[in-house]
Formats: sequence, structure tokens, C-alpha cells
Amino acid sequence: GAVVSQHPSWVICKSGTSVKIECRSLDFQATTMFWYRQFPKQSLMLMATSNEGSKATYEQGVEKDKFLINHASLTLSTLTVTSAHPEDSSFYICSARVGSLGLAGGETQYFGPGTRLLVL
Amino acid sequence: GQQLNQSPQSMFIQEGEDVSMNCTSSSIFNTWLWYKQDPGEGPVLLIALYKAGELTSNGRLTAQFGITRKDSFLNISASIPSDVGIYFCAGQLSNTGKLIFGQGTTLQVKP
Repeated sequence: GAVVSQHPSWVICKSGTSVKIECRSLDFQATTMFWYRQFPKQSLMLMATSNEGSKATYEQGVEKDKFLINHASLTLSTLTVTSAHPEDSSFYICSARVGSLGLAGGETQYFGPGTRLLVL
Repeated sequence: GQQLNQSPQSMFIQEGEDVSMNCTSSSIFNTWLWYKQDPGEGPVLLIALYKAGELTSNGRLTAQFGITRKDSFLNISASIPSDVGIYFCAGQLSNTGKLIFGQGTTLQVKP
């Protein structure tokens, strides 16, 4: 399957600082990537859709000025948590939308390994 | 909003037993996906379903796309300890590509 990487895998920062998380598609191009956050023992919650060359679209209740998304190339999307606070501590996961790749069927999504953020 | 109801919430089984979990939706999806997530990692795609009624296997895993396109099930045969994890179903919206996730099924396997 397609490989998606994330960096860093974990980060600890002080309250008030900004943190940037990178999501890369390693062996394919992704015009659309998605950012999720996941709290312990809960399902994934979609935060925003990252579109290459255009502005991201955010889900209801997600602050676009708080969570800045940049999708500057077909293989890289970044999520910046600005002025992080302890309540922003979570597991952030990205995914890349992949077409049919010639297989019978349609498209799917492949996920990165996630980034654990701890804000002190 | 659209929701997926996934059951059971958790399962604790003996190694070698078969497992079944399912998802239902009030909405129609054109694509159903099943993922497994290990602790501290991202979800890994297990099976993708694209056609109503489709039955697809991946090793010991079998999944079916319901004929009404509102439900799907995942079966695991002859479970082994490494099957432990959280299994998620997801319906994909064809226009935006967004995934709607089920609540997850936590599987524990006793050796």
C-alpha cells in the first residue's frame, strides 16, 4: 500500500509555543490530505481537509487560526498548532487520499503513524 | 450529521476463535473501509469495499459491503494474539473523500 510518514512522532512543548507537524506521501502524490485528532480510547475526529495549492477547509468547531494548514506541494502537508495550550495535547494523525491505483474499485485513504503532542 | 454505529464496542476472546464485528449507517456510502489501529500508531488499511454486496478477503480477514450500502461486517477467522488492537470501520463520502468513522471495536485475544 501507499506509505505516509509524519514528523515528529512525538513532541513536548511549553504552553504558548507553536508546533509544526509534517505529513508526507512517500511514494505517491496526494492532492488531498486530511488531518485528524484522536483522544484516548476515542475514534478519529476529522479536523480539516488539506488541498494542494488552495486553502484548507475546516470542520465545524475547528479554529482555522489555531490550526494552520499548508499544503504547498503534492507530497507535503503541514499542520501548525499555534499558541499551544494543554488542552491541545492529543494524538494528531494525517491521511492521504489515494485514487484507484489501477485496482478494481475506487479510492481509499492511507494514514500516517501519528504525532503525539504534549503541551506542558 | 452522518454517523456509523459499530458493534461490539469490545471483545475478549480465546486464541483460535473466530470474530465478527459490524457497522451500520443511516446513510448510504459508496465505499466502506476497515482499519486496524495498534496503540500509539496510525490506522492501517485492512480491506476496502466498493460495490454493494461485495465480499472481499485478506488472509484470515473477510469483509462484506451490505447490499443496501448502509452496513458492512468484518470477520477474523482463527484469531491469534497479534490480532489485538482497535478495529474501525469507515464510510467514505464520494464527493469530498472524507471518512466517517465508527466508534471502534477493541479486540483482546487470550493466548
